[in-house]
Amino acid sequence: QVQLHQWGAGLLKPSETLSLTCAVYGGSLSGYYWSWIRQSPGKGLEWIGETSHNGITNYESSLKSRATISVDPSKNEFSLNLTSVTAADTAVYYCARVPSLVRGWFDPWDQGTLVTVSS
Amino acid sequence: DIVMTQSPDSLAVSLGERATINCKSSQSILSRSNNKNSLAWYQQKPGQPPKLLISWASTRESGVPDRFSGSGSGTDFTLTISSLQAEDVAVYYCQQYYNTPRTFGQGTKLEIK
Repeated sequence: QVQLHQWGAGLLKPSETLSLTCAVYGGSLSGYYWSWIRQSPGKGLEWIGETSHNGITNYESSLKSRATISVDPSKNEFSLNLTSVTAADTAVYYCARVPSLVRGWFDPWDQGTLVTVSS
Repeated sequence: DIVMTQSPDSLAVSLGERATINCKSSQSILSRSNNKNSLAWYQQKPGQPPKLLISWASTRESGVPDRFSGSGSGTDFTLTISSLQAEDVAVYYCQQYYNTPRTFGQGTKLEIK
């Protein structure tokens, strides 16, 4: 059964770069897309973007200028960088798998990381 | 972007009674390619990530109790819990995958009356 586990800094100052990495265990990156989603009290669940196993990416339009999602098939990992963070980027960040053919639902999800942006 | 609107925002139901959560999309999410509605339902318990319950509006995931069912088509959808159990207390979300960006409803908090 596929499991996802992420890590990264949980406390950032405004203007810093958020960096998170998600490792996939028990399965290959191939055949799926891999997404980042965030959840905050103010905006609810928000899809950030996704990558295929070979690096094809898609982003939510409002985050596209600041977000970069990359993949490292050799490590079975994918990552999120979000530049110039503000308090509005404070949220729980999740990584999740997406079926490739449908590009539909998210399953499974990792446990999430709370990222707080505060001066 | 497709806007997903759930109702009600919160709901209190007695144990053993039926719970009904609604989800409305701002445009039809019926896929012409396979005549299926591109809608998923999730359950989120405190401190946990969302858990996929249903895809294609009505297809239950493996291991999901059959008291959970999804219905609807086009723009109007419903998640029904036929006989509420204590472990069903959670926030429920709908999500469309008809197009990108994939978008979620705001959530419905389900409690025991």
